[in-house]
Amino acid sequence: AQSVTQLDSQVPVFEEAPVELRCNYSSSVSVYLFWYVQPPNQGLQLLLKYLSGSTLVKGINGFEAEFNKSQISFHLRKPSVHISDTAEYFCAVSDPGSSNTGKLIFGQGTTLQVKP
Amino acid sequence: EAGVAQSPRYKIIEKRQSVAFWCNPISGHATLYWYQQILGQGPKLLIQFQNNGVVDDSQLPKDRFSAERLKGVDSTLKIQPAKLEDSAVYLCASSTTFGAAKGAFFGQGTRLTVV
Repeated sequence: AQSVTQLDSQVPVFEEAPVELRCNYSSSVSVYLFWYVQPPNQGLQLLLKYLSGSTLVKGINGFEAEFNKSQISFHLRKPSVHISDTAEYFCAVSDPGSSNTGKLIFGQGTTLQVKP
Repeated sequence: EAGVAQSPRYKIIEKRQSVAFWCNPISGHATLYWYQQILGQGPKLLIQFQNNGVVDDSQLPKDRFSAERLKGVDSTLKIQPAKLEDSAVYLCASSTTFGAAKGAFFGQGTRLTVV
């Protein structure tokens, strides 16, 4: 069964600095990969997704992620963060295979704390 | 376009009491999911519906949890009786396709505290 590991539980960073949130998943077989953001006391919002094709995907709010099949990673990056980016970030994986049900397997989350 | 609606936003109950959560998915979305998010963890799928049929309920504690999606639109999730470990945020999500490609749209969640 697939699993997702987010390597950092908390990432403190100063405003306008770059940030990388790390995500690894358990299997090298074909998967769909997602990053969701959860602002405080709110639901999850899709930031970006990788289905196939170009390994660099761009999302909303200036975020991007790079799919690395050999390292089974899907790290999220932003070149310059804002205070408003403070939130919980979740990496998730879904199986696009024949038994595809759309079920998402989530990592445990990374808290991004942007300091002024 | 209206998003996924959930109610209530917050609920506090005593252990052994019962509670119900309601979800209205995005119009036209055939697939509906209920996820449980315990503090400090990622969401975990409890149950998935395709229209009004159950696709996956393998992680649903069926001795105390139940869910239904009558008429393939709104859904309710019930816990009876509640335990302390059921304290969590219950997220409802919906998607357009029977599949993973588009991702899912989430509601704001219901935060349940069992005391």
